[in-house]
Order: sequence, then structure tokens, then C-alpha cells
Amino acid sequence: AQKITQTQPGMFVQEKEAVTLDCTYDTSDQSYGLFWYKQPSSGEMIFLIYQGSYDEQNATEGRYSLNFQKARKSANLVISASQLGDSAMYFCAMRSLGTASKLTFGTGTRLQVTL
Amino acid sequence: NAGVTQTPKFQVLKTGQSMTLQCAQDMNHEYMSWYRQDPGMGLRLIHYSVGAGITDQGEVPNGYNVSRSTTEDFPLRLLSAAPSQTSVYFCASSWGQSSTDTQYFGPGTRLTVL
Repeated sequence: AQKITQTQPGMFVQEKEAVTLDCTYDTSDQSYGLFWYKQPSSGEMIFLIYQGSYDEQNATEGRYSLNFQKARKSANLVISASQLGDSAMYFCAMRSLGTASKLTFGTGTRLQVTL
Repeated sequence: NAGVTQTPKFQVLKTGQSMTLQCAQDMNHEYMSWYRQDPGMGLRLIHYSVGAGITDQGEVPNGYNVSRSTTEDFPLRLLSAAPSQTSVYFCASSWGQSSTDTQYFGPGTRLTVL
């Protein structure tokens, strides 16, 4: 069975600072994908970044980077230079074959960016 | 491209009523799925489809039906609404079912069953 754990229900960060949102996962599959989604207060789910289990380099997308440590089964999201618009819920998710190809989600971390 | 669209955005039903949540995508994606989001539980898969004419159950399928007559559309039917189906429903799509395929979500439908 797959499982995603996000241990930080809420986080605060000051504007322009960097923040790390934690995500650990558990799976017996060798091939899987790890995803981060942002859910602002308006409710939509916005795809941020993807990391494949066989990718040797950490993924980056603009101010987002994924700190992938395969041996520790962690896939932390790093947001650099936080902006007020980054305030939202952030979900870590995993996808692999053999599980209806579904995304397995964590319970999310609510990030609040302050002045 | 509109991406993934869902209608309606909000809906209130009485217990026992039926309705259909609409989902459409214009990206020619083969894989489509429905999730529900409940507080503190993340998103859970209801049904999914790997192509037109092919559907299968996810982890919480009871009380819901789906069909996929075209690549673009994947409606979700509530047969007899119950208060336990009060939730936010998301439709998502991706090129395929590989672990490398990113799923893109619609804006969601907030459903309340009284």
C-alpha cells in the first residue's frame, strides 16, 4: 500500500524567506512519481512540480524545487523567496502503476506567508 | 485550451435526489478520474477511466456511477444522494496512467446534501 505523510499541519514564513514543506512516502513500487499541488483558498488544485523515482537530479520549477532523498523516502518542497500569494494548502502526492494509477495524497500543509 | 472544466461549481441536493456532475477536458487525455476531498482526509479516488468505453472503480465508488462515451467527457452520477456524499468533487485528467503522467485538475464542484 502507498502512503504519503505530511507532518506539518501549518507553517508560517515571512515574505522573501525560503520555506521547506516536508513529505515522506511509503511504497513497495520501484517506479513512481511524486507531485506537489497547491490549493489556494479559491479551491482549485494547481500542479507545481514533479519528480520521478529514477530521476537523479532534483526537480526545479521557478521558485519551487523538490528535495528528493530516495533512501530516506522523502520529497520535500522548497519554496524560495516566498510571496504573499504563496499562502495556500500544499499537498504532496504519489502515483504508481498497479494502484488504479491513482494519486495518493497526504493530508496537506497550510502555509501562511506574513509581511 | 480550457483544460479541465467542471459544472456546476456549487450544488445543493436533498437526500435521495440524483444528479450528474459534468467533467470535460480538451487536452486529448486518455486517463480521467474523479476524486472527492473531505476535511482532514486528502483526496480519495472514486472512479477512473483509461480511455473511451473503459471505466473502473477507485477506493470509494459506492453510490456513484460513471461512463466514458467520448475521450473528452467523464460525467459522475450520484444515484441517490446521501449526507455522507457532502464533499468537494474534483475531476482530473492525464495523458496516460504512467507514474510519470501529471494529473491536471478541474476547479471542483462543492456539493451539499441535506
